[in-house]
Amino acid sequence: AAGVIQSPRHLIKEKRETATLKCYPIPRHDTVYWYQQGPGQDPQFLISFYEKMQSDKGSIPDRFSAQQFSDYHSELNMSSLELGDSALYFCASSSQTGEVEQYFGPGTRLTVT
Amino acid sequence: AQKVTQAQTEISVVEKEDVTLDCVYETRDTTYYLFWYKQPPSGELVFLIRRNSFDEQNEISGRYSWNFQKSTSSFNFTITASQVVDSAVYFCALSEPDTGRRALTFGSGTRLQVQP
Repeated sequence: AAGVIQSPRHLIKEKRETATLKCYPIPRHDTVYWYQQGPGQDPQFLISFYEKMQSDKGSIPDRFSAQQFSDYHSELNMSSLELGDSALYFCASSSQTGEVEQYFGPGTRLTVT
Repeated sequence: AQKVTQAQTEISVVEKEDVTLDCVYETRDTTYYLFWYKQPPSGELVFLIRRNSFDEQNEISGRYSWNFQKSTSSFNFTITASQVVDSAVYFCALSEPDTGRRALTFGSGTRLQVQP
């Protein structure tokens, strides 16, 4: 079965640079979530989209923005990167009309130097 | 506000032992969902089980079973006859769709080490 696809899998950036992470949800899933997991931490919710509209917002810094496109893929844009942004970024997708569980992509490991 | 507590930081067992991972949650909603996810050393988050707040029936699925008790706000997860491949961090999570908070609130995780 198709899973959530995230790209790139690894990304190394310097401080103050920008980064764009991409997420392709499971086909027919209408909701995308972004989570950030720091080293040794639990995943923290950043932002979600339902049918291309922002549906909920968590602890997403103002330096970050995201959107969902007409093909349901989503992008997380991160600017003015800081050392503390180094983390594993997960995208998850679900269907609001079907199963409620979220299926996670493999994650993008961002390292800021 | 919702909260998930996993008091066990790390558990170490020997292969074939049974192990129970504890999870206690807080929510003001009457409708909510509870989940267990597994994060092996490779890093991905794997969905294991889901339980709805209106269904307290406990089930067994292969070597996995869970005990959901609303009276104590607990959602414990048991692995029977543990195997080395079960070594991972296990997260309990909560979502509250009725209040618009479908995003998952995770516990801090329990690291399970299964020794051969």
